[in-house]
Amino acid sequence: SAVISQKPSRDICQRGTSLTIQCQVDSQVTMMFWYRQQPGQSLTLIATANQGSEATYESGFVIDKFPISRPNLTFSTLTVSNMSPEDSSIYLCSVVGTRSRESTETQYFGPGTRLLVL
Amino acid sequence: GQNIDQPTEMTATEGAIVQINCTYQTSGFNGLFWYQQHAGEAPTFLSYNVLDGLEEKGRFSSFLSRSKGYSYLLLKELQMKDSASYLCAGSGGYNKLIFGAGTRLAVHP
Repeated sequence: SAVISQKPSRDICQRGTSLTIQCQVDSQVTMMFWYRQQPGQSLTLIATANQGSEATYESGFVIDKFPISRPNLTFSTLTVSNMSPEDSSIYLCSVVGTRSRESTETQYFGPGTRLLVL
Repeated sequence: GQNIDQPTEMTATEGAIVQINCTYQTSGFNGLFWYQQHAGEAPTFLSYNVLDGLEEKGRFSSFLSRSKGYSYLLLKELQMKDSASYLCAGSGGYNKLIFGAGTRLAVHP
C-alpha cells in the first residue's frame, strides 16, 4: 500500500480561524479522499479530490467551508475555514490501492489530523 | 438509500471467537470492506468482499451475502491487541466508502 503522511498531526485553533491540512503520498494516485471523524463516531466522507478537476463534495459539505486543492498526483490540501468548536474532529485523507494485486477500490488512510477548536 | 448497521459494542474473552455482523442497504453497491481502528489511530484495511462467500486471512475471516445484504467479520483466537473498533464500509460507486458507526470490541483476559 502507499505511504501516506499528513501535516499537522494535531492542532489547537481559535474560533474563526482557518487551518490547512496537507496530505502527501509516496506514489502517484488518481483519487484522493478527505474524511472527517467526529469524537466517538465513524468516518464521514467530505469530498473526493481528483487531480486536474474540482473536488466533488458530499451532501452537507461545501467548498466555501472546506476548500480543497489537488495540484498534482501525490499531494492534496484540505482547509477548514472559519472554524467553530463543532469542527473539532479528526480529518483523514485516503487513497485507493495502487498495486495491481490489490483491489482497485481498497482505500488506505493517512494517520489523521486531530483538530481541537476552542 | 445507503444505510449500514452494526452493533455498537461487543465483549469477548481472550482466545475465543467473535463474530461482528453488518447489514446494509446500499444502492450501487460494489463491495464491502472491513477496517480495524485502534483508539487514536487511523483505520487499517482488513478485508474486502465483492463476491458472496467467505474470505479467510489468518485469524480474520469475512463473509458476504449480497442477496441478504449481510456481512460478518470473524475473529479467531482473540488476543488483547484485537481490542479496537471494527468498521464495516460499503463501496457506493466512484470508490466512495460509506461507513457504519463501528463496533467497539473489548477483549478481556
